[in-house]
Amino acid sequence: GAVVSQHPSWVICKSGTSVKIECRSLDFQATTMFWYRQFPKQSLMLMATSNEGSKATYEQGVEKDKFLINHASLTLSTLTVTSAHPEDSSFYICSARSQLAGNIQYFGAGTRLSVL
Amino acid sequence: AQTVTQSQPEMSVQEAETVTLSCTYDTSENNYYLFWYKQPPSRQMILVIRQEAYKQQNATENRFSVNFQKAAKSFSLKISDSQLGDTAMYFCALGNQFYFGTGTSLTVIP
Repeated sequence: GAVVSQHPSWVICKSGTSVKIECRSLDFQATTMFWYRQFPKQSLMLMATSNEGSKATYEQGVEKDKFLINHASLTLSTLTVTSAHPEDSSFYICSARSQLAGNIQYFGAGTRLSVL
Repeated sequence: AQTVTQSQPEMSVQEAETVTLSCTYDTSENNYYLFWYKQPPSRQMILVIRQEAYKQQNATENRFSVNFQKAAKSFSLKISDSQLGDTAMYFCALGNQFYFGTGTSLTVIP
């Protein structure tokens, strides 16, 4: 199956700093990528949908100025958590959709963010 | 609005036995996709099986099969000959923008 690379896998940062997470589709072009947040023992919550070359669409309740998403190419989307605070600590997962494969989403391995 | 409901938070099954995980959903769309993903302890989401709503035939992938009842908006996953490696969280997902259910934690007992 298709491969999605997410980096870093784990990051620890101080409160007030910004953290960037990268999501790359390695062997296919993804016009659409998705960003999810997952709390322990809970489901994935869709944060935003990222379309190449256009502004991301954020789900209700997600602060777009807090979670900056850039999808500059067909293989790369980034999520920047700005001025991170301890309540932003979570597991963040990206996915990329392959339209050639019937809308299947391929997921990255996730990023564990810990804000001190 | 689109919703997905998984009513079984936890399930267990003996190795080599069969288990069925349930999923119901609601959508106003006529054509859509349904998916089952598994999330093992590594937390990597892995596609298990996919069903297109316009196809009446139930999807199968080796030991995994679904019972898709469009009128009832039901999409259950059957795992046959359960293996230890099947131990994971299983999520049902709907649509183009995935709406996930709350998940079912499956444990395969040796």
